[in-house]
Amino acid sequence: DAKTTQPNSMESNEEEPVHLPCNHSTISGTDYIHWYRQLPSQGPEYVIHGLTSNVNNRMASLAIAEDRKSSTLILHRATLRDAAVYYCILIYGQGGKLIFGQGTELSVKP
Amino acid sequence: GAVVSQHPSWVICKSGTSVKIECRSLDFQATTMFWYRQFPKQSLMLMATSNEGSKATYEQGVEKDKFLINHASLTLSTLTVTSAHPEDSSFYICSAPPGGGWAGYTFGSGTRLTVV
Repeated sequence: DAKTTQPNSMESNEEEPVHLPCNHSTISGTDYIHWYRQLPSQGPEYVIHGLTSNVNNRMASLAIAEDRKSSTLILHRATLRDAAVYYCILIYGQGGKLIFGQGTELSVKP
Repeated sequence: GAVVSQHPSWVICKSGTSVKIECRSLDFQATTMFWYRQFPKQSLMLMATSNEGSKATYEQGVEKDKFLINHASLTLSTLTVTSAHPEDSSFYICSAPPGGGWAGYTFGSGTRLTVV
């Protein structure tokens, strides 16, 4: 499975946008880019995913570089409830194994 | 969206006993279920993949005789930790891949196992 690299931690202020980067230089053409987040003592939660084009949903936006070697998860207005560990994961096709890296721990300051 | 119900949410057991963790897909059929373990301050580690009607596939280093996985039906997968020891204390999480039009993987809420 192709690997991803994320910063260990990031800080944000409440109500401000947050850009969470992810590098995946060995991505293959059939790898989907998925983002999940995990709040303390809970199972992970799906955030967003994409293949080549930028994606938007009610939770976030996903910006994918033209060469697909990096992506950025964008939270448009961070809230205290967005404090979590965010995982960027590459998945071969649909339904393949999710292999978690270390993720980025996002803290949000009021 | 799709929901995976995981029980129990926490359990305390004595060393040497066995513990069963259940994951049910509530509004969809899950032919595959992934099982993870997570130690404090660490990421999720994939333990095994269960498939309805066939044997589970275990990741390297995971003892299949210790962590028994059964996928009895299209809506139920179970993980049994046999002869539990304190080092098995961990947070166990199940996950089902997308199906029925839902885009993301669905996770159970996790089970906190403490072996005393």
